[in-house]
Amino acid sequence: GDSVTQMEGPVTLSEEAFLTINCTYTATGYPSLFWYVQYPGEGLQLLLKATKADDKGSNKGFEATYRKETTSFHLEKGSVQVSDSAVYFCALSRAGGSYIPTFGRGTSLIVHP
Amino acid sequence: SQTIHQWPATLVQPVGSPLSLECTVEGTSNPNLYWYRQAAGRGLQLLFYSVGIGQISSEVPQNLSASRPQDRQFILSSKKLLLSDSGFYLCAWSGRTGKETQYFGPGTRLLVL
Repeated sequence: GDSVTQMEGPVTLSEEAFLTINCTYTATGYPSLFWYVQYPGEGLQLLLKATKADDKGSNKGFEATYRKETTSFHLEKGSVQVSDSAVYFCALSRAGGSYIPTFGRGTSLIVHP
Repeated sequence: SQTIHQWPATLVQPVGSPLSLECTVEGTSNPNLYWYRQAAGRGLQLLFYSVGIGQISSEVPQNLSASRPQDRQFILSSKKLLLSDSGFYLCAWSGRTGKETQYFGPGTRLLVL
């Protein structure tokens, strides 16, 4: 079955540091890939997505590239801020399946001033 | 634009009491609807999903149930709450193709004492 693996957290960084959160996936066919962010006490919201190989999703300074050859969708940001502290979820969904998306376990990011 | 509502925002209930959480979606029709639970510091657990009125699929056997009485209304219920039912409950909707973004509500924090 489909699966998403994210790096274990928490990831702790100082403000303005470079961020990478690794995500790899297993799926048949050609899934869409997503990064969602969850701020404390809130629901998840879409951060960025990519729908086909070599697509780059970007939003709020975050980027991720759909790499089919390595089945990866790593999240990056060049300079994190305290306000980026949140839990980040990598996910995939695909047509022809059961309408159930597959989520990673989430990676907590803590940014210190 | 589409909006998803959940209520109540917070709920404290004694063990053995009933539960009813409601989720409604505005601005779209025929959505797929989902209920997730998130235990403290953990990932998402899919509880139920629905692809249409009266069509409910259960992912986890437990003392919870779900109903979809109207196209854009999704209700999570229990006849008798357990301590282990405590958590953060999230409702979400998506389009019908299977590759689409999930849109989450603000969540309901349930504490069973």
